[in-house]
Amino acid sequence: KNEVEQSPQNLTAQEGEFITINCSYSVGISALHWLQQHPGGGIVSLFMLSSGKKKHGRLIATINIQEKHSSLHITASHPRDSAVYICAVYTGANSKLTFGKGITLSVRP
Amino acid sequence: EAGVTQFPSHSVIEKGQTVTLRCDPISGHDNLYWYRRVMGKEIKFLLHFVKESKQDESGMPNNRFLAERTGGTYSTLKVQPAELEDSGVYFCASSQERRSWTYNEQFFGPGTRLTVL
Repeated sequence: KNEVEQSPQNLTAQEGEFITINCSYSVGISALHWLQQHPGGGIVSLFMLSSGKKKHGRLIATINIQEKHSSLHITASHPRDSAVYICAVYTGANSKLTFGKGITLSVRP
Repeated sequence: EAGVTQFPSHSVIEKGQTVTLRCDPISGHDNLYWYRRVMGKEIKFLLHFVKESKQDESGMPNNRFLAERTGGTYSTLKVQPAELEDSGVYFCASSQERRSWTYNEQFFGPGTRLTVL
């Protein structure tokens, strides 16, 4: 079992829908990254958070340290949001990241 | 400001050959990380440099992999000799000097897709 689990594995949505992607982790963490990778593209950091909630445009990320759970929400989804969304956590005293497998989101026009 | 760059973007080699991947971090970033994603698996940590020193190389698969960061600027990752299971996407990331009370955001390069035939 991975230390970082993401659900669902694949997700298809209709343009305009509200989307939620979940991440659960089984280790103590110091911070959590939400990352985005478009097909054939590099990895882009969307958020880094260690508590509460962050918002950037149509994206909202929340984290519950006690429950070891984070969610990424996309409001008014658009086909350009189609990408792989990866959750990664900082654990321990070092600064390396432990990654989830990522979920593939496809938003249909 | 230029982001993290990696070269080449793609490399196709035969089993037994040598390949060298290069990563140029964001200027001024002391921390440099190498990660790898093999097909169907999650991205995994390989190693971490702080300036020119290897801080953590616990993720290096075996001694066919050699990473260097001479002068604390760009880094190279050499695979010699390459095996079929080395195929994957190799990512590099960099971050500023880490403060004791926080974790600095890592910025990722576009990755190098390595195919070993």
